[in-house]
Amino acid sequence: GQNIDQPTEMTATEGAIVQINCTYQTSGFNGLFWYQQHAGEAPTFLSYNVLDGLEEKGRFSSFLSRSKGYSYLLLKELQMKDSASYLCAVRGRMDSSYKLIFGSGTRLLVRP
Amino acid sequence: ETGVTQTPRHLVMGMTNKKSLKCEQHLGHNAMYWYKQSAKKPLELMFVYNFKEQTENNSVPSRFSPECPNSSHLFLHLHTLQPEDSALYLCASSQEVSQVPSPLHFGNGTRLTVT
Repeated sequence: GQNIDQPTEMTATEGAIVQINCTYQTSGFNGLFWYQQHAGEAPTFLSYNVLDGLEEKGRFSSFLSRSKGYSYLLLKELQMKDSASYLCAVRGRMDSSYKLIFGSGTRLLVRP
Repeated sequence: ETGVTQTPRHLVMGMTNKKSLKCEQHLGHNAMYWYKQSAKKPLELMFVYNFKEQTENNSVPSRFSPECPNSSHLFLHLHTLQPEDSALYLCASSQEVSQVPSPLHFGNGTRLTVT
């Protein structure tokens, strides 16, 4: 089956760097996605990785190691508005189709 | 402004009521989804429509009935719900091309409370 683990909560300081980890188990891996969700709002797409390595997008970077079933989201120069939940989602093959399965999310609190 | 619009934003209904959730996407995508988000639980996939055809029914109780009249509109018809069905219901769309992964675009959701 598919399983995704990420920490429930993290706290960091404004201006600092924080790394949110995600480990997963899946069959037929076909991509890992990171989403940001502010309270009461829709999840918004941040990044995705299909191949091993680091993808950088401004202050946000995402890393993938398929052999280890591991990814992380790196947030640099933290801002107060980065306080949100960060959802790790893995696309894998189940039955005869691909499905996107979400982790429970990591709630990040950025303090002044 | 999101390219996926959901109405209503909030809904309170009794267990004997019948109501419908509506979703519209303006992104030209070919796939639409219903997800359920409960407190402290992962997003749960409920239904998937690809080119208006239902391709996924993730063991959802029959009191939830989806409808996809065209590739831009998606409905979720609700009847005789239970209090445990109270949750945030999220609609999403994506452009599916064979095995190429593509990101989901979510609406702001409908906060449903069943009394």
